[in-house]
Amino acid sequence: DTAVSQTPKYLVTQMGNDKSIKCEQNLGHDTMYWYKQDSKKFLKIMFSYNNKELIINETVPNRFSPKSPDKAHLNLHINSLELGDSAVYFCASSQETWAQYFGPGTRLLVL
Amino acid sequence: GQQLNQSPQSMFIQEGEDVSMNCTSSSIFNTWLWYKQDPGEGPVLLIALYKAGELTSNGRLTAQFGITRKDSFLNISASIPSDVGIYFCAGQQDNNNDMRFGAGTRLTVKP
Repeated sequence: DTAVSQTPKYLVTQMGNDKSIKCEQNLGHDTMYWYKQDSKKFLKIMFSYNNKELIINETVPNRFSPKSPDKAHLNLHINSLELGDSAVYFCASSQETWAQYFGPGTRLLVL
Repeated sequence: GQQLNQSPQSMFIQEGEDVSMNCTSSSIFNTWLWYKQDPGEGPVLLIALYKAGELTSNGRLTAQFGITRKDSFLNISASIPSDVGIYFCAGQQDNNNDMRFGAGTRLTVKP
């Protein structure tokens, strides 16, 4: 049973394209997150959603937009992809402020 | 955002040795967590600490929440080759969902 799943696992695309990454959790958690991990493995939070409300939005370009159709899903849309967007993106979920559980990651490469 | 200072940055040890790593901050955290990331995977939660002074074990792993709430350590006893990976500390402040990560400790275990 996969607790937090993401698709696709790998995404290679051209600069300027628009792409989406999907995330689903079957843990019944009420909060979901998106993180970006750079080439030095540093993890930085991008967004979190609680009951369909955005409660954290770090200094992320507005080309990135999270969309949550329901409590179990949080998708990440990226417009006009840039070379610097290449990274690994992780989805995570938690129940309130308890420990976060991570998905397997989506490796994005922008050419 | 508040940085967590994690050390050491990397460790090369012999199988069977014990390992110790720690995380410090100039600010108080209400929750400390330790994650392990294997290559090509997402971070996996090892231990979560919710109370100052708490000492928690998970098999060969032991972690403590510092009494000042500004630090935490993780010990691994009798290391084995599958302990190889990147270990991250993470902390949460003020009972919100904003979790900060350390830069990671890269552990290599030689058989």
